[in-house]
Amino acid sequence: GNSVTQMEGPVTLSEEAFLTINCTYTATGYPSLFWYVQYPGEGLQLLLKATKADDKGSNKGFEATYRKETTSFHLEKGSVQVSDSAVYFCALEYSGGGADGLTFGKGTHLIIQP
Amino acid sequence: EAGVVQSPRYKIIEKKQPVAFWCNPISGHNTLYWYRQNLGQGPELLIRYENEEAVDDSQLPKDRFSAERLKGVDSTLKIQPAELGDSAVYLCASSFDRGISGNTIYFGEGSWLTVV
Repeated sequence: GNSVTQMEGPVTLSEEAFLTINCTYTATGYPSLFWYVQYPGEGLQLLLKATKADDKGSNKGFEATYRKETTSFHLEKGSVQVSDSAVYFCALEYSGGGADGLTFGKGTHLIIQP
Repeated sequence: EAGVVQSPRYKIIEKKQPVAFWCNPISGHNTLYWYRQNLGQGPELLIRYENEEAVDDSQLPKDRFSAERLKGVDSTLKIQPAELGDSAVYLCASSFDRGISGNTIYFGEGSWLTVV
């Protein structure tokens, strides 16, 4: 079956540090890949997505590239801010044609210290 | 534009009692999902609706959970009777299915259930 594995947290960084959160997946076919973010007390929000190999999703300074050869979709940001503190979820949607629903990783809690 | 609206936000009930959650999806979204998120875990799909039809309920514990989406808009998720292990956040989400993958799925803020 489909699955997503992401690095365990919490990840603690200082402000302006470089961020990488690793995500790898197992899926049949060619899924679409997503990063969702959950800020304290709020619902899940889409951060970025990529629907085919070599696509790069980007938003709010975050980037992730769909790497089919390594089945990965690592999240990166060059300079994090305190306001980036949140839980980040990597997810995939199997490309069966239509809305099949998302399979999520367990989430990575990111803590940015001033 | 209003997002996905869920109620109640918080619910505390005793075990063996029933509980129901309500969801109003984004206007025009034909696909509706219910997810369950346990503490420290990612959300897991319980059921997916295409309009009023449940097209994937393979992960819904049918002995105690039920769901409906009358008229293809609002949906309710019911648990009867609740067990201690049902304590979780129940997330409703919606999307507009264009027949291709990669549609953006929008989530509500969730209904936090504590069973004591």
